[in-house]
Amino acid sequence: GESVGLHLPTLSVQEGDNSIINCAYSNSASDYFIWYKQESGKGPQFIIDIRSNMDKRQGQRVTVLLNKTVKHLSLQIAATQPGDSAVYFCAENTHNSSGAGKSTFGDGTTLTVKP
Amino acid sequence: DSGVTQTPKHLITATGQRVTLRCSPRSGDLSVYWYQQSLDQGLQFLIQYYNGEERAKGNILERFSAQQFPDLHSELNLSSLELGDSALYFCASSVGGGTGYEQFFGPGTRLTVL
Repeated sequence: GESVGLHLPTLSVQEGDNSIINCAYSNSASDYFIWYKQESGKGPQFIIDIRSNMDKRQGQRVTVLLNKTVKHLSLQIAATQPGDSAVYFCAENTHNSSGAGKSTFGDGTTLTVKP
Repeated sequence: DSGVTQTPKHLITATGQRVTLRCSPRSGDLSVYWYQQSLDQGLQFLIQYYNGEERAKGNILERFSAQQFPDLHSELNLSSLELGDSALYFCASSVGGGTGYEQFFGPGTRLTVL
């Protein structure tokens, strides 16, 4: 079946360092990928997305890399700050003939930033 | 604040009961999504509505149903509740109904089934 998995359930980094959060997906038909951040007691928040026709996309302090050959997605956070501490989910999307998407989420990586 | 509102914030009920969760999307968003987040299953997509019509279906049980009203708010109905239905239920909204539109999540409703 479809599954999206994160390599590490937890990640601890020092403030100011770069963070890399990894995700493996299994559905080669997935054509759209999203990273979400979820802080304690809140709903998920969109961080960045990437379509399958791209291999890299940059945002503000964040970069998403997509390797379709090995079905791997990563989120890089530059100069990690205490406010980045949260659970990070990747999600893969497949879409039906009408264009509607169905998201499958990974298990999440808990990022802790040490001051 | 995402602009998506959900009520109630917390709900405690007993097995076998029926509850209704309510969601108001962001102003201007036509699409509403429902998700379930539990400790053992993670975040799971349940169902999507776009402008009043069902658009996509995920892992939604037959005991669960949803609808989107003409004013675009949505309700998720959960019936014959079981202990395993205890979870956080999130609603999200987006402008469009296809992939590629950013989804904005509400604060969630925490359902506890005793």
